[in-house]
Amino acid sequence: RKEVEQDPGPFNVPEGATVAFNCTYSNSASQSFFWYRQDCRKEPKLLMSVYSSGNEDGRFTAQLNRASQYISLLIRDSKLSDSATYLCVVNIITGTSYGKLTFGQGTILTVHP
Amino acid sequence: DAGITQSPRYKITETGRQVTLMCHQTWSHSYMFWYRQDLGHGLRLIYYSAAADITDKGEVPDGYVVSRSKTENFPLTLESATRSQTSVYFCASSLTSGGQETQYFGPGTRLLVL
Repeated sequence: RKEVEQDPGPFNVPEGATVAFNCTYSNSASQSFFWYRQDCRKEPKLLMSVYSSGNEDGRFTAQLNRASQYISLLIRDSKLSDSATYLCVVNIITGTSYGKLTFGQGTILTVHP
Repeated sequence: DAGITQSPRYKITETGRQVTLMCHQTWSHSYMFWYRQDLGHGLRLIYYSAAADITDKGEVPDGYVVSRSKTENFPLTLESATRSQTSVYFCASSLTSGGQETQYFGPGTRLLVL
């Protein structure tokens, strides 16, 4: 079983739509959670951290459910520029090891006119 | 401010050749990382470094060697390239490794091994 699992999509939505991505993680030692965005043929960039109480950044809302080991990302009022791959990322700290980022495979989003 | 850079951006080599991918960051970040990204696998950690002269293996280290003699540089060497090492390689850095620390990625190196 993969440590971080995402539905790869693709999700094809019209401009203005609301779309939600889900992610599950298997390691209960996971301590920090993030969503990264990766544009085609570019490097990943941090979109937002995910906090236990849930957090919002403009049109983006992230939720964390530690009991279910589940993370979500909601995008409201989708823009063409939101088209990208969204990576669910978990920071696992075990024993004396450093905080290891583990990446999901990513969910592809295409927003069309 | 250059941030984090990688060179070369594209490389074609042949099986058995030694290849070195360069990574340079200008932020004086303590931590540096090498990942490879392949279809179906996502980003996988090859090696990481907590500071100059401190390196450790990640998830897929076989066939790779790293060094970190200076804080700002973290080269990755494929000692004898194989076709399975065809991939996109990303270098990343972060100030620390825990909590909500962000990793910043370089633009990537696309490597093709023939």
